[in-house]
Amino acid sequence: GQQVMQIPQYQHVQEGEDFTTYCNSSTTLSNIQWYKQRPGGHPVFLIQLVKSGEVKKQKRLTFQFGEAKKNSSLHITATQTTDVGTYFCAGRGGSNYKLTFGKGTLLTVNP
Amino acid sequence: DSGVTQTPKHLITATGQRVTLRCSPRSGDLSVYWYQQSLDQGLQFLIQYYNGEERAKGNILERFSAQQFPDLHSELNLSSLELGDSALYFCASSAGQISGNTIYFGEGSWLTVV
Repeated sequence: GQQVMQIPQYQHVQEGEDFTTYCNSSTTLSNIQWYKQRPGGHPVFLIQLVKSGEVKKQKRLTFQFGEAKKNSSLHITATQTTDVGTYFCAGRGGSNYKLTFGKGTLLTVNP
Repeated sequence: DSGVTQTPKHLITATGQRVTLRCSPRSGDLSVYWYQQSLDQGLQFLIQYYNGEERAKGNILERFSAQQFPDLHSELNLSSLELGDSALYFCASSAGQISGNTIYFGEGSWLTVV
């Protein structure tokens, strides 16, 4: 079945440093979504990427979808303490209704 | 507030027991999803319903079952509970049946099996 791998599992940074999490799928994806879950909270939708090579930005966050539509990344520039949380990617392949989540990257930021 | 309501928020029960988790989707959303989140397994998709019909099945155990009612609320039934079933169970909803739509998560139901 479809698998979505996400690395790293954990990342600790100093405030102001950049952060990147990577997502790789075993199959070609029709779209990929990114979610953020604050400690003790629930996943919250951030963005969806659909097109091959697509790049989207939200303030300090940059999301990329690979040319082959099998990988994606989330990059945060100049992290802040409010960025703390677990970032999940979730991909859907072809006609599959199921959205498969990666295991997430837990980001902690030292002020 | 995502608009997805889950009850109960916390539940403690003994092994071998049966519990029911309830979910009310966002107004107008026809799809309901159930996810299990544990420390070691991450966010695991269990099952999806669309307008009362099962649409997709994930890693849902045979001891677990779910249904979506005509008013679109959903219930997840967990039976013969084991210690390993302790987890946070999320319900989520979306407007359409394909998961290309944005999925809105509820705050989750914490289940502790003792």
